[in-house]
Amino acid sequence: SQTIHQWPATLVQPVGSPLSLECTVEGTSNPNLYWYRQAAGRGLQLLFYSVGIGQISSEVPQNLSASRPQDRQFILSSKKLLLSDSGFYLCAWRKTGGNQPQHFGDGTRLSIL
Amino acid sequence: AQSVAQPEDQVNVAEGNPLTVKCTYSVSGNPYLFWYVQYPNRGLQFLLKYITGDNLVKGSYGFEAEFNKSQTSFHLKKPSALVSDSALYFCAVSLDNYGQNFVFGPGTRLSVLP
Repeated sequence: SQTIHQWPATLVQPVGSPLSLECTVEGTSNPNLYWYRQAAGRGLQLLFYSVGIGQISSEVPQNLSASRPQDRQFILSSKKLLLSDSGFYLCAWRKTGGNQPQHFGDGTRLSIL
Repeated sequence: AQSVAQPEDQVNVAEGNPLTVKCTYSVSGNPYLFWYVQYPNRGLQFLLKYITGDNLVKGSYGFEAEFNKSQTSFHLKKPSALVSDSALYFCAVSLDNYGQNFVFGPGTRLSVLP
């Protein structure tokens, strides 16, 4: 069966510090991968998605970036965090095909001080 | 462009009563529809999906959803609510494989009162 791992679960960082969040998927090949941010326990904001290694599409211009160095690895990064980057970050994967659901990791709670 | 609406921010229901969480969608083709549940500090969990065929779809934890093409709706239902069903529920729609065409609704918070 397929599993998705996100780490760390919680992170407290000062303003201006760098960020690296990692997401890996097991048990499937060539998944579509997604990064979302969720503020205040409500709606999801799609940040990045990837349909293959090195292929990243950005949905929202900001100081975050994403990379996919391996087929089942998706990394969210920032060189300098802002207070507004606080939130709950979720990674998801999906098999190819419009009728396939997305499957989510357990998220990273990021607090910027 | 696709869009999903969940007209109620909050739904309150007494334990043992039936529950409905509403979802309407707008797409330019035949949709694939999904429901997810999110518990505090957890990721979204997939509950059920509609692809084609029977308009009543059964999913996990006793949930079901009814697809209504004429009303462009996909409401989530459960015959008898449990306190443990209290969570945030998301409806989503997809048309094809591409990442940008998987759209989530804003979410509905369900509170089941004992």
